[in-house]
Amino acid sequence: DAGVIQSPRHEVTEMGQEVTLRCKPISGHDYLFWYRQTMMRGLELLIYFNNNVPIDDSGMPEDRFSAKMPNASFSTLKIQPSEPRDSAVYFCASSRTGRYNEQFFGPGTRLTVL
Amino acid sequence: SQQGEEDPQALSIQEGENATMNCSYKTSINNLQWYRQNSGRGLVHLILIRSNEREKHSGRLRVTLDTSKKSSSLLITASRAADTASYFCATTTSGTYKYIFGTGTRLKVLA
Repeated sequence: DAGVIQSPRHEVTEMGQEVTLRCKPISGHDYLFWYRQTMMRGLELLIYFNNNVPIDDSGMPEDRFSAKMPNASFSTLKIQPSEPRDSAVYFCASSRTGRYNEQFFGPGTRLTVL
Repeated sequence: SQQGEEDPQALSIQEGENATMNCSYKTSINNLQWYRQNSGRGLVHLILIRSNEREKHSGRLRVTLDTSKKSSSLLITASRAADTASYFCATTTSGTYKYIFGTGTRLKVLA
């Protein structure tokens, strides 16, 4: 298996632009998580899905952030409009029910908002 | 706010020595996991310990859990330069798959 795939790996954009991050979970995994990692705040859970349905989005910082999972093999995290404080590494992770919640992380997307 | 707080924040040791890092958390947990993150990479799962377990081993890793003190420790024995990474604990409560990660310990193993 290829593992969790994220794209792009790096994104540089200007303030006010829309940013879309993409994730393909491991086949057969029914949970998908989006995290954000910064030096100041560490690793924060933004939202997670179970069977494509959002379960907990309490970590989404504000309305500028939205996430979708149209099918079991694809999810997006969108920021619109982006701001410099959104600069961070965004990770996607997936897991499978019954595996005691072991999460498999993707390589991350490093986002820089100028 | 962070559920888990690791200490020390940074640790530097010589190859062959043991490394111990600690994690404290605030609320009752279902299980606790330890992850490793190499620079510029995603996190990799190392070991899980359930709330009713006190100790667990996996290769050179030993994890202990003290639910009365709300703390866990990760011991890496006979460390290698390849163990250089950041180590995070993550906790979840019963009935949820929502994990909260600690602040991490940066381990540097000198060859």
